[in-house]
Amino acid sequence: QKEVEQNSGPLSVPEGAIASLNCTYSDRGSQSFFWYRQYSGKSPELIMSIYSNGDKEDGRFTAQLNKASQYVSLLIRDSQPSDSATYLCAVIKKSSGDKLTFGTGTRLAVRP
Amino acid sequence: KAGVTQTPRYLIKTRGQQVTLSCSPISGHRSVSWYQQTPGQGLQFLFEYFSETQRNKGNFPGRFSGRQFSNSRSEMNVSTLELGDSALYLCASSPIGDTQYFGPGTRLTVL
Repeated sequence: QKEVEQNSGPLSVPEGAIASLNCTYSDRGSQSFFWYRQYSGKSPELIMSIYSNGDKEDGRFTAQLNKASQYVSLLIRDSQPSDSATYLCAVIKKSSGDKLTFGTGTRLAVRP
Repeated sequence: KAGVTQTPRYLIKTRGQQVTLSCSPISGHRSVSWYQQTPGQGLQFLFEYFSETQRNKGNFPGRFSGRQFSNSRSEMNVSTLELGDSALYLCASSPIGDTQYFGPGTRLTVL
């Protein structure tokens, strides 16, 4: 079982729709959760961090964390073609210092 | 603030050579981590430095090494390059906390 799992996609949504990206993790000792966006040929860019159960909103982005279910998600409202990218879920475990463990990423395509 | 900078941006080497990559963190950030990204393996952690000390190391062979200087700048070195070392090498800096910000990366091609 991979430590962090994501559906590789592609997830295709029409412009203006809500895109829902999901991530599960295996280690209950995970304490910090991050979503990064990576455009093709570029480096990952931090979108959101979340540490507590519940929702955290930042503009069009909402991160949701459920530690009991070991599940973290990212919602993108009013999706735009410029949101088309690979979204990487990453976690930090208490036992591993500041080491980020990444999922393989979900490719999102927003259709105009 | 200026972001994380990495040099060089692109490198072409041949098998058996060695390479040194450089990373300058965001001003005030004392933690620097290195990651390797390949299409097959995704993003994998190499090592992390804080105040010139290696705090954490990933599962890479000893050919991969790094160091951090007193000004927080970091270098990583790969000796005896193999074809499989071709990858995007990413540096990320962090303040005392765990949020990491990535540099643009160094694209290494081994022929």
